[in-house]
Amino acid sequence: DAKTTQPTSMDCAEGRAANLPCNHSTISGNEYVYWYRQIHSQGPQYIIHGLKNNETNEMASLIITEDRKSSTLILPHATLRDTAVYYCIVRPNSGGSNYKLTFGKGTLLTVNP
Amino acid sequence: EAQVTQNPRYLITVTGKKLTVTCSQNMNHEYMSWYRQDPGLGLRQIYYSMNVEVTDKGDVPEGYKVSRKEKRNFPLILESPSPNQTSLYFCASSRVASGANVLTFGAGSRLTVL
Repeated sequence: DAKTTQPTSMDCAEGRAANLPCNHSTISGNEYVYWYRQIHSQGPQYIIHGLKNNETNEMASLIITEDRKSSTLILPHATLRDTAVYYCIVRPNSGGSNYKLTFGKGTLLTVNP
Repeated sequence: EAQVTQNPRYLITVTGKKLTVTCSQNMNHEYMSWYRQDPGLGLRQIYYSMNVEVTDKGDVPEGYKVSRKEKRNFPLILESPSPNQTSLYFCASSRVASGANVLTFGAGSRLTVL
């Protein structure tokens, strides 16, 4: 699976947009970008995923650059409950094989009042 | 509510005393997996199962067993727990499908082996 690079930590003011970057310069054509988050010692929670196009759901937006070498997760109006470690994960089309996710260190997002 | 349920959530046990951590999902998912999370090492996969009666080793299977007799259940068995198995354990499940797949995780089981 392609390696990802994320900042160790970020701060955001409550109510403002949180923009979390992820670099995945070695991504290959069939690899998806997934974002999960983990609120202190709870189970990881799926946020969003994408292949080429930008995606939006009720939780967040995912912006993937045209060359697919980086992406940004956007939480449009961060709340204190969004304080968590955010993981950017790249993995290929499942193709019936092990659906293992390789979690790196992620970005600790702290939302401040 | 669609969910993955793990039990127990917290357990303190002693070396050598067999224990089972149960995992059950109500989403009719074919795929299930166990991870452990340790400080500085992140989440690591222990075992996974693509369907009933089909299981395989992940990255750190030593000291663990699993079974998949029913689609909804995927228990993690520690036959003879040791202190190095003190960890936070997560069960996860997913549909089996081509393309992207989304894992749903349980709330976690914190195990301490004395």
